[in-house]
Amino acid sequence: AQKVTQAQTEISVVEKEDVTLDCVYETRDTTYYLFWYKQPPSGELVFLIRRNSFDEQNEISGRYSWNFQKSTSSFNFTITASQVVDSAVYFCALSELGSDSNYQLIWGAGTKLIIKP
Amino acid sequence: NAGVTQTPKFRILKIGQSMTLQCTQDMNHNYMYWYRQDPGMGLKLIYYSVGAGITDKGEVPNGYNVSRSTTEDFPLRLELAAPSQTSVYFCASSYRDALSNQPQHFGDGTRLSIL
Repeated sequence: AQKVTQAQTEISVVEKEDVTLDCVYETRDTTYYLFWYKQPPSGELVFLIRRNSFDEQNEISGRYSWNFQKSTSSFNFTITASQVVDSAVYFCALSELGSDSNYQLIWGAGTKLIIKP
Repeated sequence: NAGVTQTPKFRILKIGQSMTLQCTQDMNHNYMYWYRQDPGMGLKLIYYSVGAGITDKGEVPNGYNVSRSTTEDFPLRLELAAPSQTSVYFCASSYRDALSNQPQHFGDGTRLSIL
């Protein structure tokens, strides 16, 4: 069963619009972390944010904000006043306990965000 | 500020050939990971290591081998390349595992084509 679902495969908006990327997860753990990473066209993966399961406060960093809701198992990412440089693939990931008692990351399939000028 | 360094960046192999993807990190991280990213997909964990001398299988280990003789290096070996292994490979490292407050740091990736 898929553990991290990013239902939007591709989103295209015009510059300066706000856009929300959805992430829904499934876990039996009571303690876990959720992550967002950005992969620009150059290909590298850039860490954006980490949120633990006990902290449901929304977080804002400049034009980026994250909404974590345990009740709906969602960790959505909003970009306000989007810019062309925001064009990238965005991945949501969930920490999961492996068989060796180490936590690994389970990744969503990613959402490709296209910001048109 | 090297971080995680992967070599080569690109490679084309013929079916049945073997090669080693190199990964080294200079952050003294205990944990290292190899992922593959197929087109339009998220990352799948191939192998990981929690420290020198310790390796373990991830979600998609078949066709690959790893070793971790030093903290810095975590090479990934393909013994008999198959077209299904055409992918982009990412190496990553972190100080602790994914439940810590330490994010994974990624290399720039190796784009591998098997023809």
